[in-house]
Amino acid sequence: EIVLTQSPGTLSLSPGERATLSCRASQSVSSSYLAWYQQKPGQAPRLLIYGASSRATGTPDRFSGSGSGTDFTLTISRLEPEDFAVYYCQQYGSSTTFGQGTKVEIK
Amino acid sequence: EVQLVESGGGLVQPGGSLRLSCVASGFTFSNYWMSWVRQAPGKGLEWVANIKQDGGEKYYVDSVKGRFTISRDNAKNSLYLQMNSLRAEDSALYYCARRYSSTSGHAMDVWGQGTTVTVSS
Repeated sequence: EIVLTQSPGTLSLSPGERATLSCRASQSVSSSYLAWYQQKPGQAPRLLIYGASSRATGTPDRFSGSGSGTDFTLTISRLEPEDFAVYYCQQYGSSTTFGQGTKVEIK
Repeated sequence: EVQLVESGGGLVQPGGSLRLSCVASGFTFSNYWMSWVRQAPGKGLEWVANIKQDGGEKYYVDSVKGRFTISRDNAKNSLYLQMNSLRAEDSALYYCARRYSSTSGHAMDVWGQGTTVTVSS
């Protein structure tokens, strides 16, 4: 099983700041199968990024994904009030796993 | 509108069974892999099972193998999760999700709102 470790657990930032979220895999993951999701309280997860770097329909361009192999990054260039949420990375294979999540909170 | 609607959750005693359903609308259900994902209260997301378009391939997280069965009825645009020998640790909000696949990548692009399963005596 591929284990995904996200860091930091919590990121305290102010609106307008840049957020950098990390996702590290226990073994190499094909970029095609690496995705990022946003989840707000009481809501289902929302797909943001797939294929490590492709934005899903409706994802603002302030969100970008990068990385390969075992190290992947989600960057939010300038935080908007609606971006404060929990973010999960996921590797999608025959056996699928999620990271434990990074909470982006208002400082 | 593309939509997934789950149902079938509830309160069940340890060792009991429950069958979850997910009805799809707004897209050609038979063209997509489908998944179940769960989230315990205050916890993160945990993948549970995947099923191929024709039901010919199924995959499960280790913790539910032998207890849960994923299935689908493409004629009814429906996905199911039969859960047997339930344990307290199976208590969670259960989501069904659609797998999006393209040349650029694969992910879960459509999610339902979830149905809650509580295992308690």
